[in-house]
Amino acid sequence: EAGVTQFPSHSVIEKGQTVTLRCDPISGHDNLYWYRRVMGKEIKFLLHFVKESKQDESGMPNNRFLAERTGGTYSTLKVQPAELEDSGVYFCASSQDPRWGLAGGSEQFFGPGTRLTVL
Amino acid sequence: AQSVTQLDSQVPVFEEAPVELRCNYSSSVSVYLFWYVQYPNQGLQLLLKYLSGSTLVKGINGFEAEFNKSQTSFHLRKPSVHISDTAEYFCAVSKGETSGSRLTFGEGTQLTVNP
Repeated sequence: EAGVTQFPSHSVIEKGQTVTLRCDPISGHDNLYWYRRVMGKEIKFLLHFVKESKQDESGMPNNRFLAERTGGTYSTLKVQPAELEDSGVYFCASSQDPRWGLAGGSEQFFGPGTRLTVL
Repeated sequence: AQSVTQLDSQVPVFEEAPVELRCNYSSSVSVYLFWYVQYPNQGLQLLLKYLSGSTLVKGINGFEAEFNKSQTSFHLRKPSVHISDTAEYFCAVSKGETSGSRLTFGEGTQLTVNP
């Protein structure tokens, strides 16, 4: 079974440009999360989708960030316009609905991340 | 709100030595606890988790962790490490039973195993 995939693996852009990150979750996983790790800091939650709906977007830093999950499958995270402080590694994770089995349902499976560098 | 503190940012050890990576958490509600590992150029992989039941949890690659509610700790241990255990380790908590609760991470501990 394929794991969580993210594209691109690396992105280098100039301040003011736009970047779109993509995440493909594990098939059948209704929950999709975005996290970010700024260098030297902890991994921080950005937002959570349940299917195509935003369940919790309290971690989004500002309105330059826009996340979508059309059709409840893959998700995109757009940063427009990018600023220097947006640099970091963006992780995507997915999980099943916990009601379908607690032991597995709480586990989030992570993708390899996208390393974003804003110059 | 929850918070996680990983007490050591860097832990260097020699091969075949035992290791303990420390994690303390703070939460006003019951939590689930996790340890993830990130090998170089890879994503986060779940090592082990505590949801309920026995406080001693065994994970992959010979790692185990003990949940101590009174000390709000969830330290990770391995009796004998290998070079291949060199990686960054993250402790995390979630609120659990709500559908798809988000994870709160510590800052990570870089474990370096030297020959």
